[in-house]
Amino acid sequence: DVKVTQSSRYLVKRTGEKVFLECVQDMDHENMFWYRQDPGLGLRLIYFSYDVKMKEKGDIPEGYSVSREKKERFSLILESASTNQTSMYLCASRKGPNTGELFFGEGSRLTVL
Amino acid sequence: ILNVEQSPQSLHVQEGDSTNFTCSFPSSNFYALHWYRWETAKSPEALFVMTLNGDEKKKGRISATLNTKEGYSYLYIKGSQPEDSATYLCALDTGRRALTFGSGTRLQVQP
Repeated sequence: DVKVTQSSRYLVKRTGEKVFLECVQDMDHENMFWYRQDPGLGLRLIYFSYDVKMKEKGDIPEGYSVSREKKERFSLILESASTNQTSMYLCASRKGPNTGELFFGEGSRLTVL
Repeated sequence: ILNVEQSPQSLHVQEGDSTNFTCSFPSSNFYALHWYRWETAKSPEALFVMTLNGDEKKKGRISATLNTKEGYSYLYIKGSQPEDSATYLCALDTGRRALTFGSGTRLQVQP
């Protein structure tokens, strides 16, 4: 069974804390993505990566950074969490560009107090 | 930022009703159109990936059609069941690596 695993389903952090969200896929996929989902706004792309150590900004990268040191792992980093980063974060992967469906993790719900 | 629009935003139907949702997108930026189903507490899962104008795909009671020239896709559910309750997302693939999602249609099917 193909799998995208996100490290934490629920997190509660304080304003100003550094937050790491980890995502691992076991499908040897080239492309990995981080989206956030907020009510009424759908999924918005934060960052994506098309190869190890490669990254591109999505539509809402401000306040986030990413790391892709290994092909199977894509990390989202909030350097200094703020309350407006309270959201559901979804990681996804697919084989390559223009290669069909995305496979998603179950999401990480982050609350920043 | 591309604008992918879905309507309605939410829908309540009775078990056995048939229903449909719309996804509209800028037709000039088309490579593929994806539909995903996202059930509460689960991962979004792909229903269809559509690439050809006039394409029609079917999976059980769920089907989808695509019009790339006018920039829309319809998702149909025949004889809705409570287990169809979910958020249905469409996403535009422009061939530039990342998908752009609509805001989703939340479907509630009452027994």
